[in-house]
Order: sequence, then structure tokens, then C-alpha cells
Amino acid sequence: AQTVTQSQPEMSVQEAETVTLSCTYDTSESDYYLFWYKQPPSRQMILVIRQEAYKQQNATENRFSVNFQKAAKSFSLKISDSQLGDAAMYFCAYRSWYNQGGKLIFGQGTELSVKP
Amino acid sequence: GAGVSQSPRYKVAKRGQDVALRCDPISGHVSLFWYQQALGQGPEFLTYFQNEAQLDKSGLPSDRFFAERPEGSVSTLKIQRTQQEDSAVYLCASSSGAHEQYFGPGTRLTVT
Repeated sequence: AQTVTQSQPEMSVQEAETVTLSCTYDTSESDYYLFWYKQPPSRQMILVIRQEAYKQQNATENRFSVNFQKAAKSFSLKISDSQLGDAAMYFCAYRSWYNQGGKLIFGQGTELSVKP
Repeated sequence: GAGVSQSPRYKVAKRGQDVALRCDPISGHVSLFWYQQALGQGPEFLTYFQNEAQLDKSGLPSDRFFAERPEGSVSTLKIQRTQQEDSAVYLCASSSGAHEQYFGPGTRLTVT
């Protein structure tokens, strides 16, 4: 069974600085998707960024980028130029390529606070 | 267009009561998922529908949990004889297939 681990329960960053959130996962599959989701206090989960395992190039979405290390099964999220609105819980998630259901397996989350 | 909606947003139930949680997915989305999120934890998969067919219910914690999507649109998650350990936020998500899942705001269930 696949597992996702986020070893940083809390992180803090100064506004305008850069922060990296860590995620590791375990799987025996070769094809899969990895995601970072943001969950603000209002609870609505929002997709931040997606990475397909077959792609060697790291995904980037504006100020958000990932460092995907397939061999190490590591998938970290870098937030550049942090803004107050980035404060939220961040979840790393795995989805099997082969599972028709496409269910997401989430990590425990990292709570990010942004200091003005 | 409208996103995923869930109702009620908050539900307080006395232990032993039955509850029904509703999810309205994004129009046209074939796939619908239910997740349970305990306080301070990541969401955990409960069940999955493709149209009206429940293709995976491996995450339902007990036979007190039941989900349906009779017309392939709105879905209801029912919990019978609620227990304190059922207290959690129940999230619904919908997807148009091999794309991202869009989440609703969740229903916070508190069992007293």
C-alpha cells in the first residue's frame, strides 16, 4: 500500500521569503501523480500543483515549484516570495496511475504560518 | 460555474442518532469521492463513485457508513447510530476523470 509522510507538522516563514515543505512517499508503482493541496482555515481544499511521475521536469506554478526526486521518493514544495495569503495547511497527496478510482492518499499536513 | 457544495456545513448529533450528509458535485463531473478528515489530520478516503456506480468503498470504517449516488449526480453519505469516533469533517470531491479533484467546503460532524 502507498503511504505519504510529511515530517514537518508546522513551518514558519517571513513574508517575501522562501520556504520549502517536505514530503516523502512510498510506492511500488512506477507511474503515479503527486499533488500539493492547500487548505486555508475555511477548509476548502485547493490544488496548488501537480506532478506526473513520468515527467522529469519539475512542475512550476507561479511562485510555487516542486523538487521531485523519483528515486528518493521525495516531493518537496517551494514557495517563493511568501505572502500572508499563503498561510494554510498544506497536504501532499499521491494518486495511482493505475487505480481507476483515482483516490488520493494524503500526508498528515504541514501548517504554514507567514509572519508580516 | 458553481463549485462543489455540501450541506449541512455543521451537524451536531447525539450518540446513536443517524445523520445524512449531502454533496452536490460540479455539474457533469463523473467521479465523486468522500473523505473523512479527523482534527489535525489529512483526509482519508472513504468511497468513490463513477456516475451512479459505487466502485470502491474500501475506506468505509464500518457497516454503519453508507453512501449512495442514485442518479449519478448528488450523493449522500449516511452514518447510522453515530459514535463519538465519527466526529470529523467529511469532505466531498468531484472530478471529470483523469483530472484534479475539486473539493467542497466539508461538513463538520460533532457527535456528543
